[in-house]
Amino acid sequence: AQKVTQAQTEISVVEKEDVTLDCVYETRDTTYYLFWYKQPPSGELVFLIRRNSFDEQNEISGRYSWNFQKSTSSFNFTITASQVVDSAVYFCALSEHSGSARQLTFGSGTQLTVLP
Amino acid sequence: DSGVTQTPKHLITATGQRVTLRCSPRSGDLSVYWYQQSLDQGLQFLIQYYNGEERAKGNILERFSAQQFPDLHSELNLSSLELGDSALYFCASSEGGSGANVLTFGAGSRLTVL
Repeated sequence: AQKVTQAQTEISVVEKEDVTLDCVYETRDTTYYLFWYKQPPSGELVFLIRRNSFDEQNEISGRYSWNFQKSTSSFNFTITASQVVDSAVYFCALSEHSGSARQLTFGSGTQLTVLP
Repeated sequence: DSGVTQTPKHLITATGQRVTLRCSPRSGDLSVYWYQQSLDQGLQFLIQYYNGEERAKGNILERFSAQQFPDLHSELNLSSLELGDSALYFCASSEGGSGANVLTFGAGSRLTVL
């Protein structure tokens, strides 16, 4: 069965600090997809990124970057120079290509608070 | 605006009652998913429909049922409500039904059972 673990329940940083959110996953499928979603205080879930298991290239989008390492089954998310608007709950999620687990399985989320 | 519309946004009801949550997917999306978010269970997958047919089932209680209509909108029916059913219910949609698809979520329907 697939599983996503976000061990950091809450993180608090001061504005302009860099912060990394950890995500570790488990799957038996060789083809799978990893996602990050953001849930701001308003409550909606906003898609940030999708990675497939064959693409281990790290990705950077503005202040956001993602580090995918199959060897350690991790897909970590770094925010550089954090801002107050980054305060939200961040979810890592996994779906498999085949079998019955094609729906998204979410981690428990990391509450990020960026203090001014 | 994500393009996924959920109604109602808020709902307060009593134990034992029945409610219906409605979802209109993003234009062009054939697949609809329902998720429940509660403090103790986190984000739990309930059920998925693709083009009117049930595609996958998760941790959906027998008291809950859903369907997707020919116009692709979906409804989640919750009956014999209990206090523990209080949660935020999300609908999401995607173009296809595979694991590769990005899910676009609606704003959610917050259900409070008193």
